[in-house]
Amino acid sequence: EDQVTQSPEALRLQEGESSSLNCSYTVSGLRGLFWYRQDPGKGPEFLFTLYSAGEEKEKERLKATLTKKESFLHITAPKPEDSATYLCAGPHGSSNTGKLIFGQGTTLQVKP
Amino acid sequence: NAGVMQNPRHLVRRRGQEARLRCSPMKGHSHVYWYRQLPEEGLKFMVYLQKENIIDESGMPKERFSAEFPKEGPSILRIQQVVRGDSAAYFCASSPTGKGNQPQHFGDGTRLSIL
Repeated sequence: EDQVTQSPEALRLQEGESSSLNCSYTVSGLRGLFWYRQDPGKGPEFLFTLYSAGEEKEKERLKATLTKKESFLHITAPKPEDSATYLCAGPHGSSNTGKLIFGQGTTLQVKP
Repeated sequence: NAGVMQNPRHLVRRRGQEARLRCSPMKGHSHVYWYRQLPEEGLKFMVYLQKENIIDESGMPKERFSAEFPKEGPSILRIQQVVRGDSAAYFCASSPTGKGNQPQHFGDGTRLSIL
């Protein structure tokens, strides 16, 4: 069964304290792995797409990496404005329709 | 604003009433997806539509829920005879193609509360 699992569920960091969020997936024939950021009361905001093992994408303090079984979202020297829930998603393996399976998310709190 | 537009942002209904949620996709996008986020749960796929066609409704409850995406106008998610368990945030997303390798872009959702 296709599944996306994120850890930890919640993460508290001090400003400037770097860390990583994990997303492990069991999706057959992965066609892409997506990272989103969701702020309270808002919809998910697209961050990155990763297509193949070894690929890396960067945006400001965020870097996403992909292996054959998992993806990491590395946050370097975070700031309080990076506080949000980070979601990982992959397209359903046996479907050609692009419907996404989401992980439960990691809620990040960065304290000044 | 060229993003995905959803309205209303908040909707309150009494049990047994109908709820209609609307979604206008990003400009140039003809593929629409609806997801539901229950309290303390993750986003769950409901239905995928192209203009005038339902492509995949495997995540839609069999009763009371329906969706459409007419040739003109927004996509509509309709919930008839609402019950307390329908209280959730409903998100719409759009993409330029229906291929799984393209990111979907989300609206800010409709928060449905059932009294």
